[in-house]
Amino acid sequence: GNSVTQMEGPVTLSEEAFLTINCTYTATGYPSLFWYVQYPGEGLQLLLKATKADDKGSNKGFEATYRKETTSFHLEKGSVQVSDSAVYFCALRPGSSNTGKLIFGQGTTLQVKP
Amino acid sequence: EPEVTQTPSHQVTQMGQEVILRCVPISNHLYFYWYRQILGQKVEFLVSFYNNEISEKSEIFDDQFSVERPDGSNFTLKIRSTKLEDSAMYFCASSEGVNRINTEAFFGQGTRLTVV
Repeated sequence: GNSVTQMEGPVTLSEEAFLTINCTYTATGYPSLFWYVQYPGEGLQLLLKATKADDKGSNKGFEATYRKETTSFHLEKGSVQVSDSAVYFCALRPGSSNTGKLIFGQGTTLQVKP
Repeated sequence: EPEVTQTPSHQVTQMGQEVILRCVPISNHLYFYWYRQILGQKVEFLVSFYNNEISEKSEIFDDQFSVERPDGSNFTLKIRSTKLEDSAMYFCASSEGVNRINTEAFFGQGTRLTVV
C-alpha cells in the first residue's frame, strides 16, 4: 500500500540553524511528492513539490529532492527563522491515482527559538 | 490570488445532530476533496469528487457522510448524525486536474467541528 512516514517531533532549533525533516514513503508506481506547511491557526499551504525522481522542489529557502533509490523526500533549509515555526506535512499522490487523493505523513512540529 | 474558502470556521453541534460544512473551491478547478484532521493526528483523506460524483472515498467516509455540489460553486460535506469522534478539523481542497502538471491541491482554512 501507500504510506508516508515522517520523523517524530517536535524539532526545536535556534534561529539560523540548519533544518532537516526526514520523510520516507512507500508507494507503488511513481508517486508525486509534496511538502505542506500549517502555521498556527491556519490551513494547509503547499510549500513545494516534485513529480518525478531526482526532481528538486524549492520554495522560500526550503528544498527537497525526490530520491527514488532511498524512497525519501527530506525537507531542508539552510537557515531557519522564527517565522518558520509550524507543522510540516510530507504527502504523496499515488502515481496510479486518477482521483488526486493525497496521503499524508503524521506531521512534524518545528519550533524555532530566537 | 484565488483561494478555497470554508464556512463556518468553527461549528459546535450536539451529538446526533446533522451538520453541513460548506466550501467554495477555486472557480476553474474540477476536482474537489474533503480531508479531516483529528487534533494532534495526521490529515486523513475522506473523499474526492469529480464531474458531480464521488471518484474515491476512504473507509472513514461511511453512510453517515455525503457530499454535494448543489449549485456549481459550493461543495458541501454533510454528516447526518454526528458522533463525538467526528470532532476534528475538516479541510476542503480543490485541484485543477490530477496529472503531474496540475495536481496541486489548494486547501481551505478548515472548519473546526466540535461535537458535544
